Amino acid sequence: KQEVTQIPAALSVPEGENLVLNCSFTDSAIYNLQWFRQDPGKGLTSLLLIQSSQREQTSGRLNASLDKSSGRSTLYIAASQPGDSATYLCAVRPGGSYIPTFGRGTSLIVHP
Amino acid sequence: EAQVTQNPRYLITVTGKKLTVTCSQNMNHEYMSWYRQDPGLGLRQIYYSMNVEVTDKGDVPEGYKVSRKEKRNFPLILESPSPNQTSLYFCASSIGYNEQFFGPGTRLTVL
Repeated sequence: KQEVTQIPAALSVPEGENLVLNCSFTDSAIYNLQWFRQDPGKGLTSLLLIQSSQREQTSGRLNASLDKSSGRSTLYIAASQPGDSATYLCAVRPGGSYIPTFGRGTSLIVHP
Repeated sequence: EAQVTQNPRYLITVTGKKLTVTCSQNMNHEYMSWYRQDPGLGLRQIYYSMNVEVTDKGDVPEGYKVSRKEKRNFPLILESPSPNQTSLYFCASSIGYNEQFFGPGTRLTVL
């Protein structure tokens, strides 16, 4: 059964820092991996989707990479801002299945 | 605006009183699903639907029912709610296996 781990569970950084969030998974037979942002008490906002054939995706200050062979994805946030404070979740969708597995998230605080 | 909507957003009920949480999307997505989110357990899929009249169980289907009579709607039904179904519920939709879009969530408390 697929297991998805996100490290660290919590992170507090000063504004302006570049940071990396990690997502690891145990079964490399994935179809895609999606990164989300969740604000307290709110829904999930899709950030980036990486297909299994891709190595990375970029959107603005965000860059997500995927290394299937090592079972890892990283989300890079450049020049962090207080508005980036949220919980970041990754979800792995296995090949041939509609049931994704979510990590438990990294809670990020960016302080001014 | 492309979106997934859920109603109600907040609900407090009592054990055994049937309830329905509605979900609707306006993106013509064939795939829809329901999740629950619990502290320490993360997001877990309850049911999903690949298209009209096609539904299947996710990881935690016990105590829930769904139906998909129209492409845009995917209601979640709790016929006899129990306190262990107190949770934050999310509906999501996508085109096939691709990018999922989530609704704003429904916070359910069962007393």
